[in-house]
Amino acid sequence: DIVMTQTPLSLSVTPGQPASISCKSSQSLLHSDGKTYLYWYLQKPGQPPQLLIYEVSNRFSGVPDRFSGSGSGTDFTLKISRVEAEDVGVYYCMQSIQPPYTFGQGTKLEIK
Amino acid sequence: QVQLVQSGAEVKKPGASVKVSCKASGYTFTIYYMHWVRQAPGQGLEWMGIINPSGGSTSYAQKFQGRVTMTRDTSTSTVYMELSSLRSEDTAVYYCAGEIAARLLNWGQGTLVTVSS
Repeated sequence: DIVMTQTPLSLSVTPGQPASISCKSSQSLLHSDGKTYLYWYLQKPGQPPQLLIYEVSNRFSGVPDRFSGSGSGTDFTLKISRVEAEDVGVYYCMQSIQPPYTFGQGTKLEIK
Repeated sequence: QVQLVQSGAEVKKPGASVKVSCKASGYTFTIYYMHWVRQAPGQGLEWMGIINPSGGSTSYAQKFQGRVTMTRDTSTSTVYMELSSLRSEDTAVYYCAGEIAARLLNWGQGTLVTVSS
């Protein structure tokens, strides 16, 4: 199974400040079709996860442009340029290049 | 709009089975692969498996092989996840999630399954 490792596991950020989450996979997520199957989800308190970023760097419909994703191969990063109060929750990276799909441990974002 | 509505909370005794349903609406049922993901209290997300609603083919995480069965009923646009030989560690919220192009786009509201004697 592909292991997904996120750091840090928690973040406390002042509104308006940036935040960054790292995700490393134990195998390359680059498929022979040219796509990299790395996704970012946000789970707000009491809700199911919601898709933020697909295929490393593509913002899903309706996701604010303060969210951005980058990386390649096995190393990926989610950045929030200016954290807002509504961004609190747990962020997960996920790979879907091969089953079993696997998630990172999650990074809990809190507001200072 | 796409909606996935799951069945209600369940309380089961160790050794029993539970069957959770996920009723889809707002789209053609057979176009989304359906996944099941669970989340133990205070823990992260764990992928359990996938079903193709079109043909009914399934793929399960090794951890659940032999204990999980995913099925679908095309006449009611519903997928089911049955987990047997329940133990306390199976206490979790179980989510169905619809996939398009490897993206888990739409999620059910979650079903809490509590395993307790």
